[in-house]
Amino acid sequence: DGGITQSPKYLFRKEGQNVTLSCEQNLNHDAMYWYRQDPGQGLRLIYYSQIVNDFQKGDIAEGYSVSREKKESFPLTVTSAQKNPTAFYLCASTEGLRTEAFFGQGTRLTVV
Amino acid sequence: AQKVTQAQTEISVVEKEDVTLDCVYETRDTTYYLFWYKQPPSGELVFLIRRNSFDEQNEISGRYSWNFQKSTSSFNFTITASQVVDSAVYFCALIENNAGNMLTFGGGTRLMVKP
Repeated sequence: DGGITQSPKYLFRKEGQNVTLSCEQNLNHDAMYWYRQDPGQGLRLIYYSQIVNDFQKGDIAEGYSVSREKKESFPLTVTSAQKNPTAFYLCASTEGLRTEAFFGQGTRLTVV
Repeated sequence: AQKVTQAQTEISVVEKEDVTLDCVYETRDTTYYLFWYKQPPSGELVFLIRRNSFDEQNEISGRYSWNFQKSTSSFNFTITASQVVDSAVYFCALIENNAGNMLTFGGGTRLMVKP
């Protein structure tokens, strides 16, 4: 079955640690995205990548980093510079321009 | 800048009631695309509909219907004869033509359908 797989489902981070969230897709989509969702709020764009080896900052990129070495994979690193990382993180992909996005099931990150 | 407003943060209805979720958007672009997504408790967003700014026809898909009115910048979503399985958070979103694939989301409406 084609889709987007995010792992882990739950992640706990200690203060000062970097953590990496995985996102893999087998839909053969060129574009991939990372969104952050806070309770009772909509989704905000962190980073996006339209093609391999290229990515751009979204609205809230500070404290995050990404890489896009393979078409299928778009991992997100939450660095210690992100002061309030507790949130629900969603990865998505799109086939073309202005088409519907396909989403993974998300990773819930909690700082302990 | 583009903006999407979903004024209803939570709606509670009893099964079989009809319910309308409101969505109002702002954009300077004449060409844009509107979307609705459903987020069930499992977390992933599920695509429901995409509408471009040149197509103001209302759409019906089973118990779901959408009313797009450019004059009021609204793209409202109605569920007829609601069911418990409709309980979810629903998001309205916008892509401007010159914004590539950048979705701007509303804050979401949590719909609770009680048996």
